[in-house]
Amino acid sequence: GAVVSQHPSRVICKSGTSVKIECRSLDFQATTMFWYRQFPKQSLMLMATSNEGSKATYEQGVEKDKFLINHASLTLSTLTVTSAHPEDSSFYICSAGGVRGDNEQFFGPGTRLTVL
Amino acid sequence: AQSVTQPDIHITVSEGASLELRCNYSYGATPYLFWYVQSPGQGLQLLLKYFSGDTLVQGIKGFEAEFKRSQSSFNLRKPSVHWSDAAEYFCAAGGTSYGKLTFGQGTILTVHP
Repeated sequence: GAVVSQHPSRVICKSGTSVKIECRSLDFQATTMFWYRQFPKQSLMLMATSNEGSKATYEQGVEKDKFLINHASLTLSTLTVTSAHPEDSSFYICSAGGVRGDNEQFFGPGTRLTVL
Repeated sequence: AQSVTQPDIHITVSEGASLELRCNYSYGATPYLFWYVQSPGQGLQLLLKYFSGDTLVQGIKGFEAEFKRSQSSFNLRKPSVHWSDAAEYFCAAGGTSYGKLTFGQGTILTVHP
């Protein structure tokens, strides 16, 4: 149980285009989802916390107009990278929390974004 | 400020040798503590977690970790490493239920045959 999927697993796009990444909880309802960004050989950096039905809470330094997060249902959260540029190329990972009533998060497999 | 530190960026061990990965945290109170493992290009898999109670926690794949409040540490151990354990390991801490996690920098484990 507690499986999280992400789609797509890998995406290449041209500079200036927008890319949407989906994060789904497959066998449970996730009231809280988290979006992370991971640069090569670095740790995970939290971008935002997403609660179903409300606006996402962004971490300091993360542009909310560039990284649009929607959590419209208890099983789906989306991250849209708007007007992507090469510096947005990264590994994006989502996670779902609040499943067992504790702090544990269940992670998706990640999405590799490459902006040309 | 809350922080998690993994002092070792890269560790190399021989297959069959014992392993200890260090993790220190700085939090206002005892946080929830986790160890995750990440294979290249993959998401994170939970190895074990500590919330309260017994300070020696058993996890999957033969891993264990010991919470030491006096040292603000949560070190990960395995008595005999297998080649398949080669991966990156992350220690993480959280302050509240349903709350966000703070991750350490990660430790890359290389296993020599």
